[in-house]
Amino acid sequence: QKEVEQNSGPLSVPEGAIASLNCTYSDRVSQSFFWYRQYSGKSPELIMSIYSNGDKEDGRFTAQLNKASQYVSLLIRDSQPSDSATYLCAVIRTTDSWGKFQFGAGTQVVVTP
Amino acid sequence: EPEVTQTPSHQVTQMGQEVILRCVPISNHLYFYWYRQILGQKVEFLVSFYNNEISEKSEIFDDQFSVERPDGSNFTLKIRSTKLEDSAMYFCASIGTGRETQYFGPGTRLLVL
Repeated sequence: QKEVEQNSGPLSVPEGAIASLNCTYSDRVSQSFFWYRQYSGKSPELIMSIYSNGDKEDGRFTAQLNKASQYVSLLIRDSQPSDSATYLCAVIRTTDSWGKFQFGAGTQVVVTP
Repeated sequence: EPEVTQTPSHQVTQMGQEVILRCVPISNHLYFYWYRQILGQKVEFLVSFYNNEISEKSEIFDDQFSVERPDGSNFTLKIRSTKLEDSAMYFCASIGTGRETQYFGPGTRLLVL
């Protein structure tokens, strides 16, 4: 069983629309969750982190966490062509040392003008 | 803005040769990571390093791999005897005491022939 699962896409979104990305994880004791954006050939960059159940908003991005369902999502409002990238979900079982991040395979998002 | 740097950006080597990939994490960061990403695949955790010792490592990080922090700034990944399947992008990352953001370096693209 994959530890972190995401739909690979591509997810095609019209410019100005909302993109909705989903991620499920298998380890119930996971505590911290992250969304990264990765442009082709580039390194991942952090968009948001979320630690508690519920919603967390940062600009056009909203992360949603449901630990009971082992599910974390990312909404991108007012999608722009520059949002076209692969979005990676990452999970960590918070230990004393923040040792191991598990990444999903990523969802490719294509925003069409 | 501080950044993680990696050298070289590209490396080509013959199978069986040793390679050392170098990283300079952000100066006041305490947690250091190596990841690899085979072309078209997901980001895979290799190893984390904290307080001058390995914190966690994945099953990929076998005896062919080693990490060092030889001085106060550099963080290296050594592959002793490279295999064809080691061809990938290798990312270094670091996290500070606030534990909020994991910063990735630009990566080293390794090609084993």
